[in-house]
Amino acid sequence: QLQLQESGSGLVEPSQTLSLTCAVSGGSISSGDYPWSWIRQPPGKGLEWIGYIYHSASASYNPSFKSRVTISVDTSKNQFSLKLSSVTAADTAVYYCARAVITSGGILAWDLWGRGTLVSVSS
Amino acid sequence: DIQMTQSPSSLSASVGDRVTITCRASQSISSYLNWYQQKPGKAPNLLIYAASTLQSGVPSRFSGSGSGTDFTLTISSLQPEDFATYYCQQSYSSPLAFGQGTKVEIK
Repeated sequence: QLQLQESGSGLVEPSQTLSLTCAVSGGSISSGDYPWSWIRQPPGKGLEWIGYIYHSASASYNPSFKSRVTISVDTSKNQFSLKLSSVTAADTAVYYCARAVITSGGILAWDLWGRGTLVSVSS
Repeated sequence: DIQMTQSPSSLSASVGDRVTITCRASQSISSYLNWYQQKPGKAPNLLIYAASTLQSGVPSRFSGSGSGTDFTLTISSLQPEDFATYYCQQSYSSPLAFGQGTKVEIK
């Protein structure tokens, strides 16, 4: 059974770079053409899509993050990663990694999620 | 960007009630609409995709309808495990976006 697990620093200083990794177990990240995604949720608030990447390393990002975000994939380690630079307190959130599926009709939906990891931005 | 607006933001209901949650898109998104359930401290769980298709393993008391700009999630008979927050999400165009959520609480 495929599982996703986030890891990384839980505390980041303002203006620094947030780095998280999502380890995929129970299957290969290269098996199938899935958008491997990052989504975040500030405490007590709603969900926000950050971006996704395919195992081919083709990525798509939410423009609201402008040039701050980079998502990469390491197929040899069966994982993908998120880097978010110049963080502020507004970037404090639970960060989820997730796998999306794209239906025959071209609809993208996230069907498998990690448990999430809280990242706090504070000095 | 497409904005997703859910109503109500919260509701109180009793076990056995029929519950309806509405999601409106700021422009037509055809049927590119998904629904998720999230319980406190947990990741969201996909309930319905493509506006009306039930995800495998999801109880049949959940149903979705709509197309274009107006969508509905219905729980035909609310069960204790259904008390949670529900989100709609559009996948018609980037940036992919969620509604603000509807919290279903016990009356």
